[in-house]
Amino acid sequence: DVKVTQSSRYLVKRTGEKVFLECVQDMDHENMFWYRQDPGLGLRLIYFSYDVKMKEKGDIPEGYSVSREKKERFSLILESASTNQTSMYLCATSPGLGGSGEQYFGPGTRLTVT
Amino acid sequence: AQSVTQLDSHVSVSEGTPVLLRCNYSSSYSPSLFWYVQHPNKGLQLLLKYTSAATLVKGINGFEAEFKKSETSFHLTKPSAHMSDAAEYFCVVISGGYNKLIFGAGTRLAVHP
Repeated sequence: DVKVTQSSRYLVKRTGEKVFLECVQDMDHENMFWYRQDPGLGLRLIYFSYDVKMKEKGDIPEGYSVSREKKERFSLILESASTNQTSMYLCATSPGLGGSGEQYFGPGTRLTVT
Repeated sequence: AQSVTQLDSHVSVSEGTPVLLRCNYSSSYSPSLFWYVQHPNKGLQLLLKYTSAATLVKGINGFEAEFKKSETSFHLTKPSAHMSDAAEYFCVVISGGYNKLIFGAGTRLAVHP
């Protein structure tokens, strides 16, 4: 079974802090994704990576950056947290090109910025 | 551009009655479509997927969905609801390269005794 783990289930940070959310997968998948989930909006893609050190912006990248130094690890960085970044953050992985498109999700990190 | 619209934000059914969660899609070519489920305090789990094979797709836990090109719909159904089906359900379409997913806004299903 694919296992996707996220470093924290709940996180509380102050406005202006730098925040790191970590995601680790154990299935050697090429693609990794970061989403945020808000009520009534579904999941929205922040950034994704299709290979080590490669990244692409998603639909809502503003205020975020990412890092992928190793294949199994994909980090989401909030350079200066703001209250409008309070949300549930979900990491996902999928095999490279040729797969069915199914993504495998971690349990999520609920971030509160005060 | 690909998109999906879930027509109901909340659906409430009695245990043992049928479930219908509605989804319409927009796509310039034959889409790949999914339904994911999210139970409270749990991660998203794939229910079923359509990838241009059979138009009636069977998933886990007795759910199924029918792809109707003429109606641009991919509605999720189950003949008899169970209390454990209470969750949020997302209709999803693949968009572009790298298998990016576009999610609908979600439908919260409540099942009452």
